[in-house]
Amino acid sequence: QKEVEQNSGPLSVPEGAIASLNCTYSDRGSQSFFWYRQYSGKSPELIMSIYSNGDKEDGRFTAQLNKASQYVSLLIRDSQPSDSATYLCAVNTYTGTASKLTFGTGTRLQVTL
Amino acid sequence: DAGVIQSPRHEVTEMGQEVTLRCKPISGHNSLFWYRQTMMRGLELLIYFNNNVPIDDSGMPEDRFSAKMPNASFSTLKIQPSEPRDSAVYFCASSFDRGTEAFFGQGTRLTVV
Repeated sequence: QKEVEQNSGPLSVPEGAIASLNCTYSDRGSQSFFWYRQYSGKSPELIMSIYSNGDKEDGRFTAQLNKASQYVSLLIRDSQPSDSATYLCAVNTYTGTASKLTFGTGTRLQVTL
Repeated sequence: DAGVIQSPRHEVTEMGQEVTLRCKPISGHNSLFWYRQTMMRGLELLIYFNNNVPIDDSGMPEDRFSAKMPNASFSTLKIQPSEPRDSAVYFCASSFDRGTEAFFGQGTRLTVV
């Protein structure tokens, strides 16, 4: 079982719609969770972090965490063509000596006009 | 701060040659990560350091790969000898440990011919 799993997509949504991206992780000891956006040919860029169960909102983005289900999601409201990118879920697990940051393979989002 | 700085941005080398990739983390960060990204395997964690000490190198593909962090502001990833299957984008990222966000450099695109 992969440590962090995401559907590779592509996920296609029309402009103005809500995009829902999902991620599951295997290590129950994981403490911090992140969403990165990566445009083609560019490096991953942090867009959201979440540390406790529930929802966290930042502008058009909402991250949701359910540690009991080992599930993290990202909602993008009012999707724009500029949101078209690959979204990477990252999970941080503190090993007792340091933090290990593991990524899923990413979900490609396409926002259509 | 200038962010995480990687060099070179692009590297083309012949099979069998030694390749050295360089990374300068964000000042004050004490965790440093080396990742490799390919279309097939996504973003793979190769090795990470905490306070200049290698914590987990289980992601290093084989003995041809080695990494060092001689001080808090510099790290290298070396491949010797290089092979065509090493062709990928190599990213360095740094964080302030304890599960905080990691920030990526621009990456080094390595092509081994």
